[in-house]
Amino acid sequence: QVQLQESGPRLVKPSETLSLTCNVSGVSITSSYYWGWIRRPPGKGLEWIGSLSYIGGTYYYNSSLKSRLTISLDTSKNHFSLSLSSVTAADTAVYYCARQAAQGMSLNWFDTWGQGTLVTVSS
Amino acid sequence: SYELSQPPSVSVSPGQTATITCSGDKLGDKYVHWYRQKPGQSPVLVIYRNSVRPSRIPERFSGSNSGNTATLTISGTQAMDEADYYCQAWDSSAVVFGGGTKLTVL
Repeated sequence: QVQLQESGPRLVKPSETLSLTCNVSGVSITSSYYWGWIRRPPGKGLEWIGSLSYIGGTYYYNSSLKSRLTISLDTSKNHFSLSLSSVTAADTAVYYCARQAAQGMSLNWFDTWGQGTLVTVSS
Repeated sequence: SYELSQPPSVSVSPGQTATITCSGDKLGDKYVHWYRQKPGQSPVLVIYRNSVRPSRIPERFSGSNSGNTATLTISGTQAMDEADYYCQAWDSSAVVFGGGTKLTVL
């Protein structure tokens, strides 16, 4: 049974870096899936942050976040991480990690999601 | 950048058919996937590749995609189907979500 679980600080100060980890169990992150981050700001809809794959190290980032964003894999711990720098109140959201199916260069659906974690940006 | 448009809200009576649309330029040329999100819960995949239903999703959920519009249909809608629904596609190396539709069953 595949499970994903987010962890990390729930409160981040403005201008600092938001860092989250997604622990994966039941499947290796070196398998042929992409691993993604999605967020949902309060009162708004889902926003894709980025996805990456161990295969070829291929990654795709939301262009609006690209300059502040790093997503990485740690195969020794079977987890992947999100780092978002220079955060503002607009980055306050529930952050989800998810497994994403892919076919060649085309990324598809997110079939397994973590429970989500609310990160608040505030001083 | 590519955009997917959904109606903000849809209302349906119990037992009736709910239809939620998702519109985008030449959307029929892409795969569309649908998620259901209830308050305080993570999104759940209900339809992938336009019309394929995951095994754990009830048969009353179905999907189609043609032209510029993809449609999620819930037949015999139940109170438990009340939730936010999102469509999703892949375009120009980016994942795109629709703005979401709040389905009210009343």
